[in-house]
Amino acid sequence: GQNIDQPTEMTATEGAIVQINCTYQTSGFNGLFWYQQHAGEAPTFLSYNVLDGLEEKGRFSSFLSRSKGYSYLLLKELQMKDSASYLCAVMDSNYQLIWGAGTKLIIKP
Amino acid sequence: NAGVTQTPKFRILKIGQSMTLQCTQDMNHNYMYWYRQDPGMGLKLIYYSVGAGITDKGEVPNGYNVSRSTTEDFPLRLELAAPSQTSVYFCASSYRDTYEQYFGPGTRLTVT
Repeated sequence: GQNIDQPTEMTATEGAIVQINCTYQTSGFNGLFWYQQHAGEAPTFLSYNVLDGLEEKGRFSSFLSRSKGYSYLLLKELQMKDSASYLCAVMDSNYQLIWGAGTKLIIKP
Repeated sequence: NAGVTQTPKFRILKIGQSMTLQCTQDMNHNYMYWYRQDPGMGLKLIYYSVGAGITDKGEVPNGYNVSRSTTEDFPLRLELAAPSQTSVYFCASSYRDTYEQYFGPGTRLTVT
């Protein structure tokens, strides 16, 4: 079967750095997406990785290792507004997104 | 641009009733999707469309139907609502399958 695993919840301090991990087992791979979802709102796109390595976009970076079936999202200089769920999703061989359950990130002052 | 719009925002249905969830996008995207999101679970794909007149089943299509007569609109029909269909429903669109998806604000549906 297809499976995306990510931690259910993480807590971090304002101004710090946090890394959210995602491991996957899917039938085929056509890229990995990270989305942010604030409570009661729709997901919004953060990043897309299809090749191994690190993609940096401001305070957010995303890393992919296809051989290990592993990705992480790195958030730097955490702000209170970063409190949200972070969803990892893998595009499979049918070009359909398989979604993880999300990681709820709690930021404390 | 309004992006992706969905109506209604909230709805309570009785078991056995039917309804249509509306979705419209103004970005001229060919690809459109319907997802449901249950607490503690990942988004599940119900149906998707790669262009007007073309629809296909996703992971959880049972109990739902869709149509795509125009590029802009992608309504989702629930026939004979069941409590298991209580969920938050998101419509999304994208330029291509490997491009980012833009989501509507969601419809929170309760079936009692």
